[in-house]
Amino acid sequence: SQQGEEDPQALSIQEGENATMNCSYKTSINNLQWYRQNSGRGLVHLILIRSNEREKHSGRLRVTLDTSKKSSSLLITASRAADTASYFCATDRGNNNDMRFGAGTRLTVKP
Amino acid sequence: DGGITQSPKYLFRKEGQNVTLSCEQNLNHDAMYWYRQDPGQGLRLIYYSQIVNDFQKGDIAEGYSVSREKKESFPLTVTSAQKNPTAFYLCASSSRLPGGNEQFFGPGTRLTVL
Repeated sequence: SQQGEEDPQALSIQEGENATMNCSYKTSINNLQWYRQNSGRGLVHLILIRSNEREKHSGRLRVTLDTSKKSSSLLITASRAADTASYFCATDRGNNNDMRFGAGTRLTVKP
Repeated sequence: DGGITQSPKYLFRKEGQNVTLSCEQNLNHDAMYWYRQDPGQGLRLIYYSQIVNDFQKGDIAEGYSVSREKKESFPLTVTSAQKNPTAFYLCASSSRLPGGNEQFFGPGTRLTVL
């Protein structure tokens, strides 16, 4: 069963703008991870945030986690055309190290 | 080069045939996973293995089978019992260190049933 749900399903912005994607989940988690997928390719890990963390940064990426609301957000600042991809959140419940992925947000950054 | 490979990239199968998708990793990871992705959708877990000679069903295991005879290899067989097998299949691996770890993905195999 899907655990995370991303919002919006699709997002189109101009280069240089910020992109914000949200993820909601249903059960308690050990950590939450964000992945990126270029069309027809495998997924690439972007960032992991643990359940006891509230915010994490990596380059132009900023991730927040609110366990009381069971939600997370991914912010990409100063977007580039090369950021065009699908972005997925994945929740790790800590059971047997298996994760559940959401349906993803398709981001298009126009040059 | 360390990484995870899948072959073939594209696979065509006639209805009623079994087909096996290959997944190999040289990352020395204990855990390996198989996911199915349908167009515009997220990933659904088919099977996973935490250690050699052991594996567990994921959310959509019906019509699929796996084996884990070697640490490096986790082949997936799509059987004729899988009613709608056309999809993109992704293999992943991760270490088993506590606290959760990122999964490393292969490039995927696109299976089409003719």
